[in-house]
Amino acid sequence: SQQGEEDPQALSIQEGENATMNCSYKTSINNLQWYRQNSGRGLVHLILIRSNEREKHSGRLRVTLDTSKKSSSLLITASRAADTASYFCATDDNYGQNFVFGPGTRLSVLP
Amino acid sequence: ETGVTQSPTHLIKTRGQQVTLRCSSQSGHNTVSWYQQALGQGPQFIFQYYREEENGRGNFPPRFSGLQFPNYSSELNVNALELDDSALYLCASSSWDSIGNEQFFGPGTRLTVL
Repeated sequence: SQQGEEDPQALSIQEGENATMNCSYKTSINNLQWYRQNSGRGLVHLILIRSNEREKHSGRLRVTLDTSKKSSSLLITASRAADTASYFCATDDNYGQNFVFGPGTRLSVLP
Repeated sequence: ETGVTQSPTHLIKTRGQQVTLRCSSQSGHNTVSWYQQALGQGPQFIFQYYREEENGRGNFPPRFSGLQFPNYSSELNVNALELDDSALYLCASSSWDSIGNEQFFGPGTRLTVL
């Protein structure tokens, strides 16, 4: 079974709107990472948040982590058509080992 | 571009055959991980290599095996191919010695088993 579960499975928004995706996991983690994937290509690393961090920003991205609820959220502000992709969260339960990805959220940003 | 390369980009095999996929790590990285991604699903961890030794394995049978070479490049070998092995195979390199262990992914090899 997968550690991470993204929600929603699919999201469609207009350009300029904000997109929020959520990730839940089951066991203790060291880090949680978010990745983007365009059309079956390789994954692009977006942001890493450690288990002792609660929030992190990178450009238009904001990630939060709530270890008590075993959940994380990814917020993309002022979305663009180029943000259309699948977004995955990934956790590691031992440092550097056994990264577990969720099934992903498919984001469509309409012009 | 991450600096991680994979070959070939596409491959078609038939059931029962064997396949070898290759990955060149990003410069300075000593760890490589392999993932299988079926259509519409998230990547599934196959195994990880650190300094030429297997350093962790997911829920995959022994017919999935790997190698890491002194230059940290890597191979994934799959024997006795089955139809369900059709997927995108991704490798990711990272530096075990750096804090955070961010993984950098290659573009993947699309394997089709007929």
